[in-house]
Formats: sequence, C-alpha cells, structure tokens
Amino acid sequence: KAGVTQTPRYLIKTRGQQVTLSCSPISGHRSVSWYQQTPGQGLQFLFEYFSETQRNKGNFPGRFSGRQFSNSRSEMNVSTLELGDSALYLCASLDSGTDTQYFGPGTRLTVL
Amino acid sequence: KQEVTQIPAALSVPEGENLVLNCSFTDSAIYNLQWFRQDPGKGLTSLLLIQSSQREQTSGRLNASLDKSSGRSTLYIAASQPGDSATYLCASRGATNKLIFGTGTLLAVQP
Repeated sequence: KAGVTQTPRYLIKTRGQQVTLSCSPISGHRSVSWYQQTPGQGLQFLFEYFSETQRNKGNFPGRFSGRQFSNSRSEMNVSTLELGDSALYLCASLDSGTDTQYFGPGTRLTVL
Repeated sequence: KQEVTQIPAALSVPEGENLVLNCSFTDSAIYNLQWFRQDPGKGLTSLLLIQSSQREQTSGRLNASLDKSSGRSTLYIAASQPGDSATYLCASRGATNKLIFGTGTLLAVQP
C-alpha cells in the first residue's frame, strides 16, 4: 500500500496570505489527523477528521481550519499567516485495526 | 493537562552499545503508547505501539515496555548502529484520541 502523502512538500508565503495543505491517507484509513511541529513547541495536535467530520480539535486559533472529503483526503487551511506559523505540518492516518498512526513526510511552511 | 516527558534530551553512544530511552506520561488512562523515529527534516516512522493492556512489544533490535502504574515507558535498542541515529519520540493516546508527544531524544551513534 502507498503511504501517507502530503502536498506540497515545501511552501514559502508572506505574512497575511493564506495557505492550503493537502493530505492523502493510506488507502482504507478513514481518520486523518494534523500536527504542527516547531523547534520551540515540538509536535502539537491540530485536529482530527473521521468520515468527513471533525472529531477532535487542539488548542489553535480559528485561523487554522480543515476538512475531509468523501475519499478521506484531507486539507488544512491557515488564513492570515503569521511568522510564527512557520513549521513542519504533518498529517497522519490511523489504522483503526492496530491503533497505529502513520505519518506523511510533512509540508515545510516558511512565512516571511 | 496531559504531558509527556522524555529523558535524556540527547544521547551519544559508540556503535554496538545497548541503550535505553525513557518516556514519562501523566495520563493514567492511556489507551496506548507509540514510539516513533524522525530523521532530520522528515516525517515520523512508527516503531512500536503498546496497548494499555500490554507490558512490552518487540521488533528486531527494539523492545518497548509500558508501566501504566508508574506512568513510564522505555525503548531499548540493542547493539546500536550508526543508522539508528535519529530523534526518537514517544506519544501517548488517551480518551481524547489525540497523540500527546514528548519532546524527543536525539540519538547519535558514533561509528
């Protein structure tokens, strides 16, 4: 099976812009979670989607949003970008049979 | 607030040495604990997952243990190799269904 894929792999944006990141889970996985990784805060949970519904949400401002499509692919959107949003954004899909989370390679977002 | 702590933050060992990485968690009702490795600039690779009902899991040279009562997990790496050099992260999963990550242990295995 193909692994979790994320596009694009790298993004450079300027403050105030918005950005959309995409994640395709492993085939058959219906849960997709998003995480932000920064040197200062480590890995922090953003949100989880299951069957097109947000099932869980972390402590991030409303500028961070997401959605999931019927084929389980997920997108996350960050509006009004700030310098502090520069990070590696990771998505993970859940194998509900083994409870194992599988991560994609991440999208490196740089905000100038 | 649930927290996960990893000690040490960094570790350097000579090739061939056995080593132990430590992970402490505050959630007494975890569902499972998962160990990952992360290479620089890359995503996370799942190494082992231990369900709350289990005491340990093994995969090749890796052995992970879980002690819910003390809130601790360890990752044992036998006969370390330079290719084991990476950051190792543990993450607990509880009733909220989200992974709570530790800050990681940066491991360097010297040839």
